[in-house]
Amino acid sequence: DSGVTQTPKHLITATGQRVTLRCSPRSGDLSVYWYQQSLDQGLQFLIQYYNGEERAKGNILERFSAQQFPDLHSELNLSSLELGDSALYFCASSVPRQGADTGELFFGEGSRLTVL
Amino acid sequence: EDQVTQSPEALRLQEGESSSLNCSYTVSGLRGLFWYRQDPGKGPEFLFTLYSAGEEKEKERLKATLTKKESFLHITAPKPEDSATYLCAVHGHGSGNTGKLIFGQGTTLQVKP
Repeated sequence: DSGVTQTPKHLITATGQRVTLRCSPRSGDLSVYWYQQSLDQGLQFLIQYYNGEERAKGNILERFSAQQFPDLHSELNLSSLELGDSALYFCASSVPRQGADTGELFFGEGSRLTVL
Repeated sequence: EDQVTQSPEALRLQEGESSSLNCSYTVSGLRGLFWYRQDPGKGPEFLFTLYSAGEEKEKERLKATLTKKESFLHITAPKPEDSATYLCAVHGHGSGNTGKLIFGQGTTLQVKP
């Protein structure tokens, strides 16, 4: 158990809809990352937040947005969904408030999104 | 741009048959190279971090090594429970002050009894 919690585990929705994925980082971790994993693309970095502020952006579509709240949990919002958005979405956390930052990311179990 | 290439894409071994997985990388200043294990439908599970060429780390039947251009994950006398996808990732200075990791496509290992 990595300590990172993601909900929901599975989500089935229709094209054009909007969904929200939720992530609770490991206790004490300040940074949250979102990754997308599809069969043909592997793990692709989407976005990172550090202590409530956006730190880095990767290959995130304009239809997608994220935020990190004061309690450090994060949400990834996916709108105007298309068939190609079907994938596993992982949240990871790192950078403990106390103790050494060794660089590794700790991943949740993922949210599997299916767009029909 | 930081890049990671893993080979082979898939590897089938008999139980007890040792082998190695390769991770080639190009990065603008390596801060760390990471190995993860991923079981189907699960999140990646951290295995090792290597920081400099010549470094080695071991855990049970797994041993990770690092050179200036590549890393190897050696699997000695594998068991069926070692079957998984093994992911390699790098953190480079090109990432600036972010901690984002760039992942390879992974090697899917199947160990038959």
